[in-house]
Formats: sequence, C-alpha cells, structure tokens
Amino acid sequence: GAVVSQHPSRVICKSGTSVKIECRSLDFQATTMFWYRQFPKQSLMLMATSNEGSKATYEQGVEKDKFLINHASLTLSTLTVTSAHPEDSSFYICSALSRTGGIWDIQYFGAGTRLSVL
Amino acid sequence: GQQVMQIPQYQHVQEGEDFTTYCNSSTTLSNIQWYKQRPGGHPVFLIQLVKSGEVKKQKRLTFQFGEAKKNSSLHITATQTTDVGTYFCAGQTSQGAQKLVFGQGTRLTINP
Repeated sequence: GAVVSQHPSRVICKSGTSVKIECRSLDFQATTMFWYRQFPKQSLMLMATSNEGSKATYEQGVEKDKFLINHASLTLSTLTVTSAHPEDSSFYICSALSRTGGIWDIQYFGAGTRLSVL
Repeated sequence: GQQVMQIPQYQHVQEGEDFTTYCNSSTTLSNIQWYKQRPGGHPVFLIQLVKSGEVKKQKRLTFQFGEAKKNSSLHITATQTTDVGTYFCAGQTSQGAQKLVFGQGTRLTINP
C-alpha cells in the first residue's frame, strides 16, 4: 500500500507553545489529506479535510484558529496546534487519499503523533 | 449527521476461536472500509467493499457488505495472537465526498 510519513511521532511541550505536525505522502501525490484526533481507547474523530492549494474544511466544533492546517504541496500537509494547552494532549493522525482508479479512493494513515502538553 | 455504530466494543477469545464484529450505518453507504489498529499503532487499511451484498476474503478474514449497503461485518476464523488489535469499520457516503466516518471499533484480545 501507499506510504504516509508523519513527524514527529511524539512531542512534549509546555502550555502556551505551538506545535507543528507534518504529514507526507511518500510515494504518491495526495490532493486531499485528513487530520484526525484519537483519545485513548476511542475511535478516530475527523478534525478537518486538507485540500492542496485551498483552505481546509473543518468539522463542526473544531476551532480553525486553534488547529491551523496548511497543504502547500501535493505531498505535504501540516497541522499546527497553536497555544497548546493540556486539554489538547491527544494522538493526532493524518491520512492521505490515494487514487485507486476506482470511484472511491483509499485513505492511508500516518503513524500518528502523540502530543503531551504540560 | 451520519453515524456508524460498531459492536461489540470489546471481545476476548481463546486462540483458535472465531471472532466477528458488526457495523451498522444510519444512512446508506457508497462504500465501507475496514482498518486494523494494533496497540500503540495507527490504522492500517484492510479492505474496501463497494457492491451491495459483496463478500471478500483475505485468508482467515471474511468481509461482508449488506444488501442495503447499511451494514457490514468482519469475521475472523480460528484467531491467532497476531490478530490482536482494534478493528474499525469506516463508511463513506456520496454526500460526504471522500470523508470517512469511523465506527467505535472492536478491541480484540486473545488468550493464547
């Protein structure tokens, strides 16, 4: 399957700082990427859809000024958690849409970033 | 909004026993996808089902998509310790573009 790289895998930061997470599609171009958040032992919650060259689409209840998304190229999307607070601590996972040639494409996931805000 | 319910939430089996997880959507799906997430890992794509009534097999795993395209199941025959993890179904609708709505997942643990 397609490979998606996510970096960093883990970050610990102080409250009030900003953290940037990168998501790269390594062997394919992805015009669409997705950012999810996952709490322990829970399912994945979609935060936003990242579209190359345009503004991200945020899900209801997700603060766009808090979670800045930039999809500047066909292989890279970044999520910046601004002014992070302890309640932002979570597992953040990105996925990239890989064209299968069929009607419905497949999402391939990065390894995730575990964010701990002190 | 669209909801995808998945049961059971947890399942513990003896190695060699079968395992099934069920997925039910509040709306008709265009396709459903299944993912496996190992403890501490990330979701790994298993399969996509598109056609009404479709059945696909991957070795000991059997995936079904309901006739109404609102439910799906994953059945594992003769579980092995390597099957441990959380299995998620995720549905797409034509209205939702390429967004996936994930079920809550079924966490499978196995007694060797």
